[in-house]
Amino acid sequence: AQSVTQLGSHVSVSEGALVLLRCNYSSSVPPYLFWYVQYPNQGLQLLLKYTSAATLVKGINGFEAEFKKSETSFHLTKPSAHMSDAAEYFCAIIQGAQKLVFGQGTRLTINP
Amino acid sequence: EADIYQTPRYLVIGTGKKITLECSQTMGHDKMYWYQQDPGMELHLIHYSYGVNSTEKGDLSSESTVSRIRTEHFPLTLESARPSHTSQYLCASSEWGDTVGNEQFFGPGTRLTVL
Repeated sequence: AQSVTQLGSHVSVSEGALVLLRCNYSSSVPPYLFWYVQYPNQGLQLLLKYTSAATLVKGINGFEAEFKKSETSFHLTKPSAHMSDAAEYFCAIIQGAQKLVFGQGTRLTINP
Repeated sequence: EADIYQTPRYLVIGTGKKITLECSQTMGHDKMYWYQQDPGMELHLIHYSYGVNSTEKGDLSSESTVSRIRTEHFPLTLESARPSHTSQYLCASSEWGDTVGNEQFFGPGTRLTVL
């Protein structure tokens, strides 16, 4: 079965600093991977997805993620954090017929 | 505007009551999903549907039931609410298609509290 593990339930960075949120996956087949963002009291919004095309995937709001098969990783990065980036971030992997399996989530806090 | 809606957004109810959480989407998607999310935790799939008259149980066992009589509507029902049902419930939908990895679009969620 496919699964993802997010390293670090809480990440805190200063405004303007690099954001790095870690996600490692486990899959017996080529994976389809996603990053979603959840703002307080809202549903999830897709940031970006990897579906076996380019290994560097660019998403919305300046985020990008790189698929590294050798490291079984799909880490999310943003060069310069903004206060509006404070939210919960979920890595997810497709399992079976388009069923999403989510990681535990990482809460990103931005310090002024 | 194509979107996915959930009502109510917040619900506080007493033990033993029957409740229905509504989910509707105007995107014409065939697939719909219900996830349960406890505070600060990951989402777990509890129900999904491939289309009208199709319902399947997800990975997390749930006492709730769902129905899919119309493409755009996927309500979730709890016959007798208990405090253990307190959680956030998120509805999502996606296109059918042949492309694995079609984006799932999420509603804003219903935060349920059972006293």
